[in-house]
Amino acid sequence: GAVVSQHPSRVICKSGTSVKIECRSLDFQATTMFWYRQFPKKSLMLMATSNEGSKATYEQGVEKDKFLINHASLTLSTLTVTSAHPEDSSFYICSASDRSYEQYFGPGTRLTVT
Amino acid sequence: GQQLNQSPQSMFIQEGEDVSMNCTSSSIFNTWLWYKQDPGEGPVLLIALYKAGELTSNGRLTAQFGITRKDSFLNISASIPSDVGIYFCAGETDSWGKLQFGAGTQVVVTP
Repeated sequence: GAVVSQHPSRVICKSGTSVKIECRSLDFQATTMFWYRQFPKKSLMLMATSNEGSKATYEQGVEKDKFLINHASLTLSTLTVTSAHPEDSSFYICSASDRSYEQYFGPGTRLTVT
Repeated sequence: GQQLNQSPQSMFIQEGEDVSMNCTSSSIFNTWLWYKQDPGEGPVLLIALYKAGELTSNGRLTAQFGITRKDSFLNISASIPSDVGIYFCAGETDSWGKLQFGAGTQVVVTP
């Protein structure tokens, strides 16, 4: 139980385009989902917290217009990187939390912007 | 803001040896968590600690939550090749479950 999936696992896009990453909780309802960003050999940096049906709460320094987060249902959250640039290339990881507040992480999405 | 100091940064050990790593903070955390991350994958929860002083085991893994709630250690006994990976500590900062991660400890196990 407590499986979280992400799609796609890898994506390569051209500079200036937008990319959508999906995070799904497969066997439980996620009251809260979190989006992280991880650079090579670095730790996970929290980008934003999203609760179903409400606006995401972004961490300091994260541009909400750049990283659009939608949490439309209790099993799906999406992160859209708008007008991507090479510096947006990173490993993006989501996690989902049920009512026990334990977080279950997805397998991550490797974004490369050329 | 709150910071977690995790050490060591990396460890190169021989198979069969024990491994120990720790995290400290100037702030109090409600919950301490230890995760393992394999390359190209998301973190997997190893142990969760909820009470000050709590000592918890999960197979060859043992972790303790410091009495002051400002530190924690993780031990791996009798390491095996599949223990290779990056281990992260994380502290829960608020009631919504927001986590603050340490910098990670990379463990390399040689035969």
